[in-house]
Amino acid sequence: DAKTTQPPSMDCAEGRAANLPCNHSTISGNEYVYWYRQIHSQGPQYIIHGLKNNETNEMASLIITEDRKSSTLILPHATLRDTAVYYCIVRVPSDYGGSQGNLIFGKGTKLSVKP
Amino acid sequence: NAGVMQNPRHLVRRRGQEARLRCSPMKGHSHVYWYRQLPEEGLKFMVYLQKENIIDESGMPKERFSAEFPKEGPSILRIQQVVRGDSAAYFCASSQKTGDHYGYTFGSGTRLTVV
Repeated sequence: DAKTTQPPSMDCAEGRAANLPCNHSTISGNEYVYWYRQIHSQGPQYIIHGLKNNETNEMASLIITEDRKSSTLILPHATLRDTAVYYCIVRVPSDYGGSQGNLIFGKGTKLSVKP
Repeated sequence: NAGVMQNPRHLVRRRGQEARLRCSPMKGHSHVYWYRQLPEEGLKFMVYLQKENIIDESGMPKERFSAEFPKEGPSILRIQQVVRGDSAAYFCASSQKTGDHYGYTFGSGTRLTVV
């Protein structure tokens, strides 16, 4: 699985959009970009994933550049409860031949949402 | 619609004792994964199991650690003769039989403290 690079920490004002970047310059054609977050003392939570098109769900939006070498997770209206460590992971889903279960979590970005 | 259930939430063991951690996957999920998170570090994959089978144990320490997922009942991660270095949060995740394209669901973890 490709490696990712994320800033170690970011601050965001409550109610504003939080934009979390991720670089994955060595991503291969069949690797998807996944985002998880871990709120303090809890298990990781799946947020969103995508291949090359922008994706949106009830939690967030994922913007992937045309060359797929970087992406941005957008929390449109951050709340205090969004304070967490956010992990960007690139991998091939097992449905398409990837190894199952072995998610490689880096250090992530610690997002602090401030009132 | 219960998620992944782990128990106990907190476990204290003296050095040399055995620790047993339990995980019940989400309803409809037949694949279970165990991860370990040492203090101030990221999550590390340990083992991937299906019912009655260990599929990938590449992340498991060679000694003292074992895992099972019997035909009936929860998955068990067993640590024999615990040492202080085993103190960590242990997370279980599950996914659908059809594949992990839509990510993993994690439990709230068991925090093991070895005194």
